[in-house]
Amino acid sequence: EVQLVQSGVEAKKPGESLKISCKASGYNFPNYWIAWLRQMPGRGLEWVGFIYPDDSDTSYSPSFQGQVTISVDKSISTAYLHWNSLKASDTAMYYCGRHSAGDNRIDFWGQGSLVTVSS
Amino acid sequence: QPVLTQPPSASASLGASVTLTCTLSSGYSDYKVDWYQQRPGMGPRFVMRVGTGGIVGSKGDGIPDRFSVLGSGLNRYLTIKNIQEDDESDFHCGADHGSGSDLVYVFGGGTKVTVL
Repeated sequence: EVQLVQSGVEAKKPGESLKISCKASGYNFPNYWIAWLRQMPGRGLEWVGFIYPDDSDTSYSPSFQGQVTISVDKSISTAYLHWNSLKASDTAMYYCGRHSAGDNRIDFWGQGSLVTVSS
Repeated sequence: QPVLTQPPSASASLGASVTLTCTLSSGYSDYKVDWYQQRPGMGPRFVMRVGTGGIVGSKGDGIPDRFSVLGSGLNRYLTIKNIQEDDESDFHCGADHGSGSDLVYVFGGGTKVTVL
């Protein structure tokens, strides 16, 4: 059974750094792109970017380029989303999702990680 | 890259049918669209992919037969027949553009479905 299990709730202050995680199981982790997605309160989904675990090839949506970093530890089947300096506007639910091989649908999703940034 | 447009809300009485629309921007009529369901307080789940020929591939795990799709021109439709209280959700459409590390994935704004 494919599962993506994300790290929990985070409450941070502006300027702080943060790394959230997404641990995969039930499939061949290196060979599927893993995406991060943002959902701000009351809003729709936004695709942040993705990473190919086998070679760490990474791509970002232009809206998020330079704002976050996506990384992976293939040895523990875990992907990460990292901020160097959080802003209040980063407050959102963040999901990881697996892109299906071949047609790019996001066929499995994590349960979400809530990030709240407030002074 | 395409822009996807969804009406913000839709409603149907219990047991009736509702059709949701996702409209692609001009020039992208050959694109396929993915539908996702997001129940209140939950993460999204994949429903199915649709092109102009109808469903592409398989439905997502646990998606009932009451859910079906059609595609025509720039529009991609998701129909829910015999709607149940459990179907009350936000529905998002998404589409990929490009390939490999040049891929971007875009979403519509989502449609909130209310069961009356």
